[in-house]
Amino acid sequence: KQEVTQIPAALSVPEGENLVLNCSFTDSAIYNLQWFRQDPGKGLTSLLLIQSSQREQTSGRLNASLDKSSGRSTLYIAASQPGDSATYLCAVTGTASKLTFGTGTRLQVTL
Amino acid sequence: DTAVSQTPKYLVTQMGNDKSIKCEQNLGHDTMYWYKQDSKKFLKIMFSYNNKELIINETVPNRFSPKSPDKAHLNLHINSLELGDSAVYFCASSHEGDTQYFGPGTRLTVL
Repeated sequence: KQEVTQIPAALSVPEGENLVLNCSFTDSAIYNLQWFRQDPGKGLTSLLLIQSSQREQTSGRLNASLDKSSGRSTLYIAASQPGDSATYLCAVTGTASKLTFGTGTRLQVTL
Repeated sequence: DTAVSQTPKYLVTQMGNDKSIKCEQNLGHDTMYWYKQDSKKFLKIMFSYNNKELIINETVPNRFSPKSPDKAHLNLHINSLELGDSAVYFCASSHEGDTQYFGPGTRLTVL
């Protein structure tokens, strides 16, 4: 059974700092890994998708890496802004397109 | 214009009642999903339909019955509601194992 863990559970940083969110998964037989953002009381927004054959993906200030063999992914956010405050969720896709979500990291970027 | 829409956004009801949540996607995707997000914010898949056929059915009570009248719709009917059913229910869609797009969620409160 796939289990996805995210560390840390919560993080508070001052504006402008670079930061790294971590995700680990127990079963390396995945099709892809996705990072989502969830704002309070809202749905999920997909940020990045990394296919199992890829090592990283970049979008703007976001960079996600994937090390499938060790079951790890990181989401790097450069020059953080208050608007980045949200919960970040990592999810892996297994068979039948089943997404297994991590526990989330709640990020607060302060002025 | 909305990609994945759900109705209603909020649902407050008494224990024992039967209720339905509707989901529609206009992205032309062939796969749709229902997720439950509990009070601890943990997201877990409930059902997945591909081309109107059920392909994922996690350990969900029989009181929950998904119905897919066509590829663009996946409704969730819940019988005999219980207090523990209170949660936010998210619908999502994708093309096979690609990025999943989520609806805004339906907050269900059972009194």
